[in-house]
Amino acid sequence: KQEVTQIPAALSVPEGENLVLNCSFTDSAIYNLQWFRQDPGKGLTSLLLIQSSQREQTSGRLNASLDKSSGRSTLYIAASQPGDSATYLCAVQYTGTASKLTFGTGTRLQVTL
Amino acid sequence: GAVVSQHPSWVICKSGTSVKIECRSLDFQATTMFWYRQFPKQSLMLMATSNEGSKATYEQGVEKDKFLINHASLTLSTLTVTSAHPEDSSFYICSARTTNYRGRNTDTQYFGPGTRLTVL
Repeated sequence: KQEVTQIPAALSVPEGENLVLNCSFTDSAIYNLQWFRQDPGKGLTSLLLIQSSQREQTSGRLNASLDKSSGRSTLYIAASQPGDSATYLCAVQYTGTASKLTFGTGTRLQVTL
Repeated sequence: GAVVSQHPSWVICKSGTSVKIECRSLDFQATTMFWYRQFPKQSLMLMATSNEGSKATYEQGVEKDKFLINHASLTLSTLTVTSAHPEDSSFYICSARTTNYRGRNTDTQYFGPGTRLTVL
């Protein structure tokens, strides 16, 4: 079964800290991996997409890495801000699944003043 | 970026009634649309995949007669929850897939803002 797990489930950090969110997947035959942000009661905002041939992607204060051999991806957030508070979801598109996304369990991030 | 809308954004209905949720891709044509369900503090679970002009493909455990999906055009898919019950209360999110957005080859899903369904 293709599963995606995120650790930790919840995280609270003071403003300004750098932090790392983890995503693990059980099947290395992935097409791509995507990180999303979801605010309470809202839809998804795509943050970064990493193709299977790539090792990392960067956008502003965000950096996502991908290690297919170990089945892991990390999302690094630099200099966290209260506005970063949200739930972060990783989603894997496995090869041969017709673009289906398998979502992780999510990490709820709270950045405090 | 690409825009996907959902209507309504929230709906409250009585048990036993049917509710229709629309998902539209506003500035691109979607070859495929996906419907997800999200319970509180849980992740998104794929319910079904729909391709324009053909029957939807449902994930294991999703009742196709209860969750009717129609994908009549390349920009519109609808999800109808028939004979809704309180356990159907959830956040329903659609996504629209395109392989070409504004001339750029890509295989990307764009997500709608979600619809909150509450069944009393």
